[in-house]
Amino acid sequence: EIVMTQSPATLSVSPGERATLSCRASQNVTTNLAWYQQKPGQAPRLLIYGASTRATGFPARFSGSGSGTEFTLTISSLQSEDFAVYYCHQYHNWPPLTFGGGTKVEIK
Amino acid sequence: QVQLVESGGGVVQPGRSLRLSCAASGFIFSDYGMHWIRQAPGKGLEWVAILSFDGSNKYYPDSVRGRFTISRDNSENTLYLQMNSLRAEDTAVYYCAKDPGYRSSWQGRFDPWGQGTLVTVSS
Repeated sequence: EIVMTQSPATLSVSPGERATLSCRASQNVTTNLAWYQQKPGQAPRLLIYGASTRATGFPARFSGSGSGTEFTLTISSLQSEDFAVYYCHQYHNWPPLTFGGGTKVEIK
Repeated sequence: QVQLVESGGGVVQPGRSLRLSCAASGFIFSDYGMHWIRQAPGKGLEWVAILSFDGSNKYYPDSVRGRFTISRDNSENTLYLQMNSLRAEDTAVYYCAKDPGYRSSWQGRFDPWGQGTLVTVSS
């Protein structure tokens, strides 16, 4: 089973600042890595797939990078609607499909 | 647009059974694999099951294999999750999600998700 580890668990950021979230895989997942955004009381929503392809409806301030075992989600200038929990997910070697533990982006 | 609506959640005693449903619309249901994913209260996400477009292939993690069964009725555009021998640790919001891969080209990712249904296992 591929274990996904996200850091930090919580990220405190001021609006307008840059946020950098990390995700590490225990094995090589190439670029079969997705990011999901989850706001309180809502279902997760696909944000990034293929490590760097932005899903429909998300603005360009969201970007994903990385390959192999190290991945990064960057939000270039945080807006109020971006405060949420972000999960990474590998779909390279499955079953099982696995998620990271999540990073909560909160207002500083 | 694609819509997924889960139902069937509720409070159930340990050891009992429950069946969840996911009604799909806005796409050709019989052409896509489907998933169940769960989220315990205040916790992260755990993938629960996947079923191929035609129902011929299904996979589970160890945590639910042998107790949960995923199935589908393509004539009714509905996905199911039969949960038997429920345990307290199965308490979670259960989401269904569409796999974006067409037919045999399933990809193992989730887009979109339904709004979820809460299952509480408690005596």
